[in-house]
Formats: sequence, structure tokens, C-alpha cells
Amino acid sequence: QKEVEQNSGPLSVPEGAIASLNCTYSDRVSQSFFWYRQYSGKSPELIMSIYSNGDKEDGRFTAQLNKASQYVSLLIRDSQPSDSATYLCAVNYDYKLSFGAGTTVTVRA
Amino acid sequence: GAGVSQSPSNKVTEKGKDVELRCDPISGHTALYWYRQSLGQGLEFLIYFQGNSAPDKSGLPSDRFSAERTGGSVSTLTIQRTQQEDSAVYLCASSFGLVPYNEQFFGPGTRLTVL
Repeated sequence: QKEVEQNSGPLSVPEGAIASLNCTYSDRVSQSFFWYRQYSGKSPELIMSIYSNGDKEDGRFTAQLNKASQYVSLLIRDSQPSDSATYLCAVNYDYKLSFGAGTTVTVRA
Repeated sequence: GAGVSQSPSNKVTEKGKDVELRCDPISGHTALYWYRQSLGQGLEFLIYFQGNSAPDKSGLPSDRFSAERTGGSVSTLTIQRTQQEDSAVYLCASSFGLVPYNEQFFGPGTRLTVL
């Protein structure tokens, strides 16, 4: 599988702050990028997808993609305790996804 | 609408036994994927189906693992002669079409424990 690297964490942020998650990938031909949220003991839940360079916003989440730098990020604004989870970056290679190891985020009340 | 369903939710088996894990994708989704997640490990791709065909079986860890899909819907992952290293959560996902431009949605998983 191709490599997908995430900032290792864990990441602890106060409630109301911005959490910033980073991901780099090794294959230049990848075309689609996804962020999943995984609560402890649960399966991954898709929260964002991005296909073009630039920013994509959905509520409190913003995904950023820079294909030239092979870099994708996720910003969580106004972090809430319910955002405490592991966030997985996924990158397509051929017709499958490769996942990073995940970054665990804890939001302190 | 209904999401991806998997059964059983938990399976405990003895080393050397065969197990079957089932996945029922979201209605209308033509692509189906199997992954596994071991304790402390990332998500590992196993196999995908487009319709009933499995073009890429490269992720299957050994020839003890096999999968099939019938009627373009339900899929079964079979592990023969289970080993302790097979203990993991087995996750199924489906998408309307193949990536790259189709989003995958995961089921709740089957937790397999091999004693």
C-alpha cells in the first residue's frame, strides 16, 4: 500500500479552539482524499471529502488540499468535547483507499 | 436509509476453526470493500468488489482468506483455519461506484477474537 502519514498526536485542544490535523501522501496520481472520524470502539464515519486544490468548508470543518505538496489537512473550528475522537486521513490509490494511522484529538472542556 | 450492516457483531472462535463474516451494503451501492483494523493498527485494505467481480485480491493476507459476493449485494469473507493473528475488527464499506470519486461508507464491523 502507498504511504499516508499523519501528525502523530495525540492532540489536546481547549473547547472553542481550532484543531489542525495534517496528512501527507506518497503517490502523486491520487485524485481523492477523505477524512474519517472514529470514536473509540466504533467504525469510521466519513466527515469530509475533497478532490480539488484549495479549501472545502462544511460547518465547523474545513479540508485543505495541495496536490503539488502532496498535503491535505483538516481544521476543526470551535472545537467541542464531542469532537474528541481519532481522525483518519484516507487517500485513493487505484480503486481503493489507503489510510493513515490516525490522529487522536481530545477537546478539553 | 439503512446503512451498511455486518454480522455477527462479535465472533469468538478457537484457533483452527473456519469463520464466515457477512456484509450487506447500502442498497444501490455497486462497490464493496473489506478492511481490517487490528488493535493499535491502521485500516488495512483486504479486497474490493465491483458488482460480483473482485479485480484486486492483493490485500488478502494469505490463502486462508477468501471472499465472494453474490447478486451484486451481500458479501461473505471467509477465514479458514483461523490463527490468533487474525484477531481484529473486520470492516466492510460500500460506495455508489468505485473510488476515486465515490465516497465509502463503513458498517459497524465484526470483532473477531481467535483463542
